[in-house]
Amino acid sequence: KNEVEQSPQNLTAQEGEFITINCSYSVGISALHWLQQHPGGGIVSLFMLSSGKKKHGRLIATINIQEKHSSLHITASHPRDSAVYICAPEGSARQLTFGSGTQLTVLP
Amino acid sequence: GAGVSQSPSNKVTEKGKDVELRCDPISGHTALYWYRQRLGQGLEFLIYFQGNSAPDKSGLPSDRFSAERTGGSVSTLTIQRTQQEDSAVYLCASSLVDRVNEKLFFGSGTQLSVL
Repeated sequence: KNEVEQSPQNLTAQEGEFITINCSYSVGISALHWLQQHPGGGIVSLFMLSSGKKKHGRLIATINIQEKHSSLHITASHPRDSAVYICAPEGSARQLTFGSGTQLTVLP
Repeated sequence: GAGVSQSPSNKVTEKGKDVELRCDPISGHTALYWYRQRLGQGLEFLIYFQGNSAPDKSGLPSDRFSAERTGGSVSTLTIQRTQQEDSAVYLCASSLVDRVNEKLFFGSGTQLSVL
């Protein structure tokens, strides 16, 4: 069983749709990161969460430590949001365990 | 510098040779991470430095891999006796240690090809 499960693996949406990507993990964590990897390979850190909810622009990330679950939401999605979104729980020694990623395609 | 700098950007080597990859983090970032991504696969954590020390080296794939960081700044990842399965993009990231607003800043990676 993978330690980090992301769903869906692939997601195609129309521009403007509300998008949710889910992440469940089985390891104990001190924090969880959401990353965005662009088609060219560049990686951008979106959020680091240890509890509750964070919002940045159209992106919202939530985490439920008791349920070992985190979600990333994108409101009013846009084609430029098309990327791979990666969930990465962080252990006590700062080691990250990466999910396999969700490939998001937003169509105009 | 303005961002995390990695060099070389591309490295082609022959099986059995040693390679050294360099990461220059953002000035003032005390935390530094190495990851790798094999073709078509997800990210894999290798090692984390807080200052010059690495509390957990268990992510390194084998004893052919080693990493060091000096002066709390530049880090080098060394792969000895390279194998074809070492071919990957090796990514470095750095961050301030801020448990509230921390973000990782990634370099553009070193593409390593072992022939």
